[in-house]
Amino acid sequence: DTGVSQNPRHKITKRGQNVTFRCDPISEHNRLYWYRQTLGQGPEFLTYFQNEAQLEKSRLLSDRFSAERPKGSFSTLEIQRTEQGDSAMYLCASSPGGSAYGYTFGSGTRLTVV
Amino acid sequence: DAKTTQPNSMESNEEEPVHLPCNHSTISGTDYIHWYRQLPSQGPEYVIHGLTSNVNNRMASLAIAEDRKSSTLILHRATLRDAAVYYCILRDGNQFYFGTGTSLTVIP
Repeated sequence: DTGVSQNPRHKITKRGQNVTFRCDPISEHNRLYWYRQTLGQGPEFLTYFQNEAQLEKSRLLSDRFSAERPKGSFSTLEIQRTEQGDSAMYLCASSPGGSAYGYTFGSGTRLTVV
Repeated sequence: DAKTTQPNSMESNEEEPVHLPCNHSTISGTDYIHWYRQLPSQGPEYVIHGLTSNVNNRMASLAIAEDRKSSTLILHRATLRDAAVYYCILRDGNQFYFGTGTSLTVIP
């Protein structure tokens, strides 16, 4: 078990370009979460999956943001037509089912939009 | 969304105990209290969690008030590696909502 893996670690993109981030959760975990974190703030919840089903997406910041988890394993987060305000750390976490369990976070993908 | 209140910052001397407080007056009967910490440029790291009883693990202890409206994370001997932002979180449904946490400075 190597923990939650996120790729890439850093991404620099030009405004208007599309970007995609990948998250590989711990294999036994059926829940996967995406968060965004800006400087000086706590992580902000975006969306989560239980297996391949996206059960909460109302917190995605705009319709430019979308996430998938096609086979209930890895997940991708895509941002279309990036804006400078999208610059942030994007964090992925996974957990077993049930409220008694904590989350395991990845190290995040740092996005810089120039 | 964050249901917890924590001091913005705290300081501790190295090798002394640290008590990090958290208020969660609107906690429901089924909310677990979770603590995470975050080092610069890293994702949050699980520290400890509990429901009603005090909890201990190799990293820390969690003391939960009898009415569950507050809790305290206890680091028994602070080290320089414990300098981080500490988040107290209630599990709200199927996701965590983070506040701004407590930034802990450890003084050598």
